[in-house]
Amino acid sequence: DAGVIQSPRHEVTEMGQEVTLRCKPISGHDYLFWYRQTMMRGLELLIYFNNNVPIDDSGMPEDRFSAKMPNASFSTLKIQPSEPRDSAVYFCASSLGGQGTNTQYFGPGTRLTVL
Amino acid sequence: GNSVTQMEGPVTLSEEAFLTINCTYTATGYPSLFWYVQYPGEGLQLLLKATKADDKGSNKGFEATYRKETTSFHLEKGSVQVSDSAVYFCALRGGSNYKLTFGKGTLLTVNP
Repeated sequence: DAGVIQSPRHEVTEMGQEVTLRCKPISGHDYLFWYRQTMMRGLELLIYFNNNVPIDDSGMPEDRFSAKMPNASFSTLKIQPSEPRDSAVYFCASSLGGQGTNTQYFGPGTRLTVL
Repeated sequence: GNSVTQMEGPVTLSEEAFLTINCTYTATGYPSLFWYVQYPGEGLQLLLKATKADDKGSNKGFEATYRKETTSFHLEKGSVQVSDSAVYFCALRGGSNYKLTFGKGTLLTVNP
């Protein structure tokens, strides 16, 4: 299995620009999670989906952030407009099933730098 | 709400030294507990997990025991290697709540 795939791996953009991060979960997994990692705040859950439906977006910092999952094999996280404080590593993770014991598998992350 | 507290790093050890990284948690109900490892430039990988009290998770020489009475899940390894250098995250996931709550992470550096 290829694991969770994220693209791009690195993104450098200027303040005000739109940024789109992409994720392909492990085939067959029905849960998808977006996390953000910063030095100050550590790892934070932004949003998660079950069967392509957003379940909890309480971690999304503000309206500039949006996430979609149009099908079981693809999700996007969009920031519009981007700001320097959005600079972070964004991880996508997926898991199979709805039990608390189930393992989340993480992608390699996208390192975003907003100048 | 749920929270995880792990020891501040960085931790620097010599090869073959004994490792302990402390982790305590606050949660309602009976959470599952995890240790994830992040190698430089990579995503998080599950290292081990335990789903109920007194369970011991183990992998690659690492161990952690779910201690409900002390709400702890300390990570240990008897003899670390240079290749163990990474950031280690303690995490919990509560019951039917699918959200993982992470600690701040502990950077481990092992010198030859």
